[in-house]
Amino acid sequence: DAGVIQSPRHEVTEMGQEVTLRCKPISGHNSLFWYRQTMMRGLELLIYFNNNVPIDDSGMPEDRFSAKMPNASFSTLKIQPSEPRDSAVYFCASSLDRRAVLWGYTFGSGTRLTVV
Amino acid sequence: QKEVEQNSGPLSVPEGAIASLNCTYSDRGSQSFFWYRQYSGKSPELIMSIYSNGDKEDGRFTAQLNKASQYVSLLIRDSQPSDSATYLCAVRASSASKIIFGSGTRLSIRP
Repeated sequence: DAGVIQSPRHEVTEMGQEVTLRCKPISGHNSLFWYRQTMMRGLELLIYFNNNVPIDDSGMPEDRFSAKMPNASFSTLKIQPSEPRDSAVYFCASSLDRRAVLWGYTFGSGTRLTVV
Repeated sequence: QKEVEQNSGPLSVPEGAIASLNCTYSDRGSQSFFWYRQYSGKSPELIMSIYSNGDKEDGRFTAQLNKASQYVSLLIRDSQPSDSATYLCAVRASSASKIIFGSGTRLSIRP
């Protein structure tokens, strides 16, 4: 089990540029979650998918953020245009839905995004 | 009112003592509760889960749940310097599959 794989690990970009974060969930997991973590706001849920379908995107801060899950093994979170206040660590997590009740989620290593 | 509330700390505990971490939640219908540990610069890792009122023990860790008071706690016995981390309380929403996290309590174990 390779775990949840995120790329890139670090991203530094200039304000106004497009940023794409990538996630490969654990094989067989059917739920995928994108979280953002900052010192001020802690760990915030942005969006989650179940069986590749977006279920709740109420945490997406604004229209500059979008997320897709074209298949069971891949998801992207895109920010366009990026702003300095988007600087944070972005985590992807996955779970097998029926097990999440008991075992919670498995997190990826995160992407540290810095927008200058 | 935040959905999941924790004291941000830092909580400083001498090595070998018991560390007590507390959490309250607002969704009375919540059924699943988790404690995650996060080392600086790392991702959260699950250390305990609890679903029924009472205590659940796993090694040096004990999770306590009181649904009537909407209160969850984590006790760490024989605290070690390696326990120094941020501890995140998490609650599974009653109406959905998502898990809501508290802001975390920073724990420091002093030798």
